[in-house]
Amino acid sequence: SQKIEQNSEALNIQEGKTATLTCNYTNYSPAYLQWYRQDPGRGPVFLLLIRENEKEKRKERLKVTFDTTLKQSLFHITASQPADSATYLCALESQGNLIFGKGTKLSVKP
Amino acid sequence: DTAVSQTPKYLVTQMGNDKSIKCEQNLGHDTMYWYKQDSKKFLKIMFSYNNKELIINETVPNRFSPKSPDKAHLNLHINSLELGDSAVYFCASSQRDYHTYEQYFGPGTRLTVT
Repeated sequence: SQKIEQNSEALNIQEGKTATLTCNYTNYSPAYLQWYRQDPGRGPVFLLLIRENEKEKRKERLKVTFDTTLKQSLFHITASQPADSATYLCALESQGNLIFGKGTKLSVKP
Repeated sequence: DTAVSQTPKYLVTQMGNDKSIKCEQNLGHDTMYWYKQDSKKFLKIMFSYNNKELIINETVPNRFSPKSPDKAHLNLHINSLELGDSAVYFCASSQRDYHTYEQYFGPGTRLTVT
């Protein structure tokens, strides 16, 4: 079965720095990969989708890369702010549904 | 306007009871989902449903059943509740034929079984 690992349960960084979160997966290659943000007590919110034939995707201060050879996606937040503090989930497509990683809790300190 | 709404937000009940959680989406999406997020924050799909097929995660006990009165609603019925059912349940929706598959989640229902 598909296995997804977000290798850090928690990541603490200083405001203004770039946060880099990692998502690794095993077994077959998904058609696309998504990143979501989840705040405490709320449902996940979609951020970015990247397809298997795309290397990189950007949206404002967010950047996602997808390396199908390494079976890895990196999620970057540049010029991080305390408001970026949340849990970030990666999700892989599997037969039309999403399989989520356990998430990385990002804390941005002022 | 709330895109995906769930009721109730909190549900406390005793073991053995039967309960339902309601979900409605006003996005016009063709597919709806139920997820369970346990105490370790692991978000796991339970069901996906559109007007053509219901896909059930094989690990979900048959005490759980989705019911869809129409395209905008997918309710979750749970029979004979057990302590291990305590979790946060999220409803979500997406439009599959746009081939983007981004999902919109509801605010969650925290179920506590005592």
